[in-house]
Amino acid sequence: AQTVTQSQPEMSVQEAETVTLSCTYDTSESDYYLFWYKQPPSRQMILVIRQEAYKQQNATENRFSVNFQKAAKSFSLKISDSQLGDAAMYFCAYRSAGNQFYFGTGTSLTVIP
Amino acid sequence: DVKVTQSSRYLVKRTGEKVFLECVQDMDHENMFWYRQDPGLGLRLIYFSYDVKMKEKGDIPEGYSVSREKKERFSLILESASTNQTSMYLCASRLSGGPYEQYFGPGTRLTVT
Repeated sequence: AQTVTQSQPEMSVQEAETVTLSCTYDTSESDYYLFWYKQPPSRQMILVIRQEAYKQQNATENRFSVNFQKAAKSFSLKISDSQLGDAAMYFCAYRSAGNQFYFGTGTSLTVIP
Repeated sequence: DVKVTQSSRYLVKRTGEKVFLECVQDMDHENMFWYRQDPGLGLRLIYFSYDVKMKEKGDIPEGYSVSREKKERFSLILESASTNQTSMYLCASRLSGGPYEQYFGPGTRLTVT
């Protein structure tokens, strides 16, 4: 089974600053998808951004962008101009060719006003 | 908008009881998933279903079973609840294949006493 590792259980960032959350994964597959999900306190998990492994260009969604390094099996999330509403648990996820999703253990992000 | 609903937000059951957790999605998604979420462990897959009447074991199926008689509904059954099944249970659904993400329900916080 694939493994997804988030080595930062907790992170904090000043409002309006930039923060990067790390994620690495282990796989022997060449074709797969990667996702970042956000889970605000007591609220539903929602998709932040996705990356197809065959695409070399890093995905961007407004203030959120990824640094996808396929050879290094690394998929970090950068949040620019952090806002109070960005405070949440962030999960990195890997979708295998077999349609299974594997999640990391999460990073709790605190935004300091 | 995709909507995934779960039958209860909070549930308290006694050891040995049979417990049913229901999940309903309204977007005709083929795939549905049950996860449990525990602090420091992230999301762990219990079971998933490719389509009606089809199911596959995930990483931690012991003590659980599932049922999918209709496309929109995926039930998780705890045959004889135990205290170590106290957890947050998340349901998710998605379209099959491709880069499609999972859509999550709000979760059920189950406490077994």
